[in-house]
Amino acid sequence: AQKVTQAQTEISVVEKEDVTLDCVYETRDTTYYLFWYKQPPSGELVFLIRRNSFDEQNEISGRYSWNFQKSTSSFNFTITASQVVDSAVYFCALSEADSGTYKYIFGTGTRLKVLA
Amino acid sequence: SAVISQKPSRDICQRGTSLTIQCQVDSQVTMMFWYRQQPGQSLTLIATANQGSEATYESGFVIDKFPISRPNLTFSTLTVSNMSPEDSSIYLCSVEGPDRGRGRKYFGPGTRLTVT
Repeated sequence: AQKVTQAQTEISVVEKEDVTLDCVYETRDTTYYLFWYKQPPSGELVFLIRRNSFDEQNEISGRYSWNFQKSTSSFNFTITASQVVDSAVYFCALSEADSGTYKYIFGTGTRLKVLA
Repeated sequence: SAVISQKPSRDICQRGTSLTIQCQVDSQVTMMFWYRQQPGQSLTLIATANQGSEATYESGFVIDKFPISRPNLTFSTLTVSNMSPEDSSIYLCSVEGPDRGRGRKYFGPGTRLTVT
């Protein structure tokens, strides 16, 4: 069955610390897509990254990096040198085809608090 | 890309009343999605709305409680009927990009509903 687990409910770090948000997924498909979204206090969901199941290369975008490991079904997100503006809820999501229709499942989210 | 607007942005409603939320997209899309995000929770898909056909509801959601209209390819409404305090949530409208389920979703800014 399709499932996304974000075991960390809330993380607090001090500014400039590095922080990793964990995401573990379950899927029966060989073709699937993984996403990270950020939801700041304003409530709007901000797209961060998409990764397909055939591309296991890690990705870096500025202070953000993602580690995709199919062997452990994980797609972890690291923020380097965190800033107060990184404070938000971060959602990991999985999309897989189910009888021709794509099902999009969100994890429960991790609330990140970056303290000045 | 798609730009989505929602009205109202927030509302406080009395128990037993109904509220209709509007979602407008700046481009024509086949499917529109309605999500609910209860306080401190993840996003849960309520229904998928295709133009010209009945909406498809997820388990736990029924048309009598959440009637949806989809009169054209850029607009949809979600009504929350006979509201109770348990309906207090953020309601988000979403569409897919050209890659459909393989790609990112675009989200509206959400409607924050409080039922007293």
